[in-house]
Amino acid sequence: QQPVQSPQAVILREGEDAVINCSSSKALYSVHWYRQKHGEAPVFLMILLKGGEQKGHDKISASFNEKKQQSSLYLTASQLSYSGTYFCGTETTSGTYKYIFGTGTRLKVLA
Amino acid sequence: SAVISQKPSRDICQRGTSLTIQCQVDSQVTMMFWYRQQPGQSLTLIATANQGSEATYESGFVIDKFPISRPNLTFSTLTVSNMSPEDSSIYLCSVDRGAREAFFGQGTRLTVV
Repeated sequence: QQPVQSPQAVILREGEDAVINCSSSKALYSVHWYRQKHGEAPVFLMILLKGGEQKGHDKISASFNEKKQQSSLYLTASQLSYSGTYFCGTETTSGTYKYIFGTGTRLKVLA
Repeated sequence: SAVISQKPSRDICQRGTSLTIQCQVDSQVTMMFWYRQQPGQSLTLIATANQGSEATYESGFVIDKFPISRPNLTFSTLTVSNMSPEDSSIYLCSVDRGAREAFFGQGTRLTVV
C-alpha cells in the first residue's frame, strides 16, 4: 500500500541532475514531494493534482502520470543544499488531506 | 506557513509507562495528523485528529495504545501507552490548512528502555 520510490539512494556531484520516481498501487488524487534533512522535519516542495494543476518550488519540477499512478521529481543542476531524503506523499481520496508517504530516496550531493 | 510547537523534543522512558506528546499550532486548523517515523524509515500515519470528533486510526494502530485528544482547533495530544522498546521512534504532528501543503512539527524522539 505504501508507494514505492526509486532509486533508494543516489549520489551526485554539484551541477548534476537527478530523477526520483514514486509509484503507487492505488489511483491517486494528488502527489506531494517533501525533503527531509537529518534530524529535521520534512519540508514541503511541491504538489501535483489530478487534472494537471501543480504548485511548488522554483528550481525543482515534477510530473504526474495519473493513468500509471506515478510521479517523478526532477532535480536539475543540483546544489549541496539538495542533500537529504525525499519522500512522495500520496492522497488517494480527494478531500481527506491524508497523505501516505513513499519509501524514501536518500540523495547526497558532493562538492 | 504554519508554526507548530511540539513537546517534548525527546524523552527516554521506562517500558510499561506512558508518554503524552503535545502539539500546538499558531492558528486554527481543522485537520491534524500524527505520524511515526522509525530511524531511517519513512513516515507512517497513525491517526487523523479532528476537533469535535473521535480520532480516526489507520490500520495497525488502536486507540487503547495511542489515545489522542483534540480539545480545540490549535492543540492536540498523542499518548503512547504501556510502552515497549518497539515504540522507540520519532513521533510527528502535522497540519494541513486545506491548501494541500502539510506542515510538520519538529518531532518527538522517544527511546523506551
